[in-house]
Amino acid sequence: GAVVSQHPSWVICKSGTSVKIECRSLDFQATTMFWYRQFPKQSLMLMATSNEGSKATYEQGVEKDKFLINHASLTLSTLTVTSAHPEDSSFYICSARASGHYEQYFGPGTRLTVT
Amino acid sequence: QKEVEQNSGPLSVPEGAIASLNCTYSDRVSQSFFWYRQYSGKSPELIMSIYSNGDKEDGRFTAQLNKASQYVSLLIRDSQPSDSATYLCAVTRLAAMNRDDKIIFGKGTRLHILP
Repeated sequence: GAVVSQHPSWVICKSGTSVKIECRSLDFQATTMFWYRQFPKQSLMLMATSNEGSKATYEQGVEKDKFLINHASLTLSTLTVTSAHPEDSSFYICSARASGHYEQYFGPGTRLTVT
Repeated sequence: QKEVEQNSGPLSVPEGAIASLNCTYSDRVSQSFFWYRQYSGKSPELIMSIYSNGDKEDGRFTAQLNKASQYVSLLIRDSQPSDSATYLCAVTRLAAMNRDDKIIFGKGTRLHILP
């Protein structure tokens, strides 16, 4: 149980284009999903918290107009990186938590490379 | 600033020995505690959760919690080379999660099991 998937697992895009990453909870309803970014050999950095049916809450320093998050259903959240630049190249990881539960389960991550 | 502190390591342990990973946290009202394992290039995987003072055992893993000392640890018995990874300690504030509660992660301890 508690499986979270992400798609795509890796993506290469050109500078200036947008990329959408999907995060799905496969066997539970995720009322809250989290988006993280991790650069090589660095720790996880929380980007935003997304509650189903509500606007995402972004961490300080994360541009909400650049990283668009949608959590329209209890099993799906999407992160769109708009006008991507090479410095956006990173490992993006989502996690999900069910209502009333404390554990947070991570997806396998999406490796984004912007050329 | 609520913090979770871990020694970054690397912690080198001979195969078959007990690996001991430690974590301290600053927020006294923290109620839920987690250990995640992250292999290089992969996303974190939840391996233990603990909510009450004392020990909790699951296979070769034992989590220990001491709220008075604001200390949580993870013991890995009969360490295997496959246990080599970064171990993340994570803490959250409330026992009854509301939608906006976040897990605060430590930066992780790199564990290296020597064959």
